[in-house]
Order: sequence, then structure tokens, then C-alpha cells
Amino acid sequence: EVQLVESGGGLVQPGGSLRLSCAASGFTVSSNYMSWVRQAPGKGLEWVSVIYKSGTTYYADSVQGRFTISRDDSRNTVYLQMNSLRGGDTAVYFCARGPTGPYFDFWGQGTLVTVSS
Amino acid sequence: SYELTQPPSVSVSPGQTATITCAGDALPRRHAYWYQQKSGQAPVLVIFEDIKRPSGIPERFSGSSSGTVATLTISGAQVEDEGDYYCYSTDLSDNGLFGAGTYVTVL
Repeated sequence: EVQLVESGGGLVQPGGSLRLSCAASGFTVSSNYMSWVRQAPGKGLEWVSVIYKSGTTYYADSVQGRFTISRDDSRNTVYLQMNSLRGGDTAVYFCARGPTGPYFDFWGQGTLVTVSS
Repeated sequence: SYELTQPPSVSVSPGQTATITCAGDALPRRHAYWYQQKSGQAPVLVIFEDIKRPSGIPERFSGSSSGTVATLTISGAQVEDEGDYYCYSTDLSDNGLFGAGTYVTVL
């Protein structure tokens, strides 16, 4: 059974850092395109970042230079390191899989990140 | 910056056809994907690569694309189809983006 379980969310002060984890089971992350998508409270979906099977990464302009996506193939886990967090980063962060390209056929249930003093 | 433009809302009666458009300049060169999201839940893929339907998605959901406009059609909409629908694609630099979403009301 395919599963994606996000963790690492919580309350952080502006300027702080968090690392989100996305543990996968039922498939291999290194054989897929793995992405992070976020959704601010009451707002729409916003693409954040993707890591290709090759390891190539892309970022939304809003997080470029502050967020880093990575994966640990031995743990079958994808990460999102978030630095210099701002109030506008407050959102539910979803991890998602793309089997044949940078889209999403399966999503985790999300982890909430709140940036506030 | 590149945008995908969707109508904010669509309203239909049960059994009628709901049509949601998504306009973007790069769509002639990039696939469109459609996601359904119900309140408090993770999104669900309903159409991929413009016209393909994932297994388990009812046949009443279909997709098309012509020029700079992709379209999601729900033929014979059901009450359970109510929710937000987002189109997704990538720009020519392979950065992802979503449309702002369309709320479909079936009543």
C-alpha cells in the first residue's frame, strides 16, 4: 500500500527554521518525482518544490534561497529544510508523488507549519 | 509572471454538465492536470496529461485541451462532486504552478 507520512510541522518564530520529513512506503522515492505543495489557511494550493529522479531540484520563487528539498534513499524519505521562515509561510505542507513527471498522483495528509511570534 | 486562470466558481444542478476552464500561455507545450479537493482533505488527481483519467475516477470526469485552454468537464454532476478544483501545470522553466481554484456547487 502506498503511503506518505509527513512530520516535523509546528509553531516557529519568524526567522526560525524547521525541517519537514516525508516518509514513503509502498514505493521508492528515488524512482519518482517527489514534491512539496502547501496550502495557507483558507487559500488555494501553492507548489513549493520538486526533486526529480535525477536529483535535480526546482523551487517556487517565494521560497528560492530559503528552502531546500532533499531525499535520503536509504530511509526512503524526502525532506524540506525551511530557513528564514516568514508569516507568509504558514500553511499545511503536503508531500506528493509524481510517477512519470513533476505532477502528483498521490498525496500525504499534510503537516501544519505556523510561523508566529 | 506565468499564471493559470480559472473561474472562481461554477454552479450546476445534479445531472447537469459542469465545465471548468484553465487558461495559460504555456499550455500548448505543457500538460494540464486537474485536482479535486474537498474540505479538510488532501487533493485527489482526477485528470492527468490533459485527457487521461486515473483508475478509480468516475467516467463522468473528462479533460480536454486546445491551444492555451485546458478544460475539465463533469458530465452528469453528482452532489458528491462538490468541492474545489485546481488545474496544475509547469511553466517553460519546469516550475510548477496551480490555478487559483474553482469551487463547484451542485444543487
